[in-house]
Amino acid sequence: GQNIDQPTEMTATEGAIVQINCTYQTSGFNGLFWYQQHAGEAPTFLSYNVLDGLEEKGRFSSFLSRSKGYSYLLLKELQMKDSASYLCAVRNAGNNRKLIWGLGTSLAVNP
Amino acid sequence: GAGVSQSPSNKVTEKGKDVELRCDPISGHTALYWYRQSLGQGLEFLIYFQGNSAPDKSGLPSDRFSAERTGGSVSTLTIQRTQQEDSAVYLCASSTGDPRDYEQYFGPGTRLTVT
Repeated sequence: GQNIDQPTEMTATEGAIVQINCTYQTSGFNGLFWYQQHAGEAPTFLSYNVLDGLEEKGRFSSFLSRSKGYSYLLLKELQMKDSASYLCAVRNAGNNRKLIWGLGTSLAVNP
Repeated sequence: GAGVSQSPSNKVTEKGKDVELRCDPISGHTALYWYRQSLGQGLEFLIYFQGNSAPDKSGLPSDRFSAERTGGSVSTLTIQRTQQEDSAVYLCASSTGDPRDYEQYFGPGTRLTVT
């Protein structure tokens, strides 16, 4: 079967760094996505990795290891507004559009 | 420019009634997706439209669910004989359809409550 695992909840302190992990087992791989979803709002795109390594974009970075079926999202200099759910999604090789989604990690940033 | 829009934003209906949910994708986007998100659950893929190709309906949970996309733009998701387990937020997303353009842009969703 196809499976994406990420922690259900995480807590961190304002100004700190937090790493949200995602492991996947899918039938083929053609990219991994991270989306941010604030409560009651639609998901918004954060990052896309298709090759191994680290992609940095401001305070957010995303890492991928295809051989390990593993990714993480790194958030630096945490702000209160970063409190949200972070969704990991994988695109199969056979279908370039359909994404398989994890359940999301709810991050609470405390002052 | 305008993003993906959905209507209504909220819908309360009685069990057994039919409902229609509407999605207006970003102008020029050829790919359109419907997802369902239940409380505390991840996004569940329902259906995908790409241009004039036959839609991928593999995620529709039952034959009570159907969707169409007229003129390659607006899409309507119809749920017949609604059940309480259909209560969820229904999200629509669109993308350009270019294989090199991977980002899906989401609408604000329709929160459906079946009483």
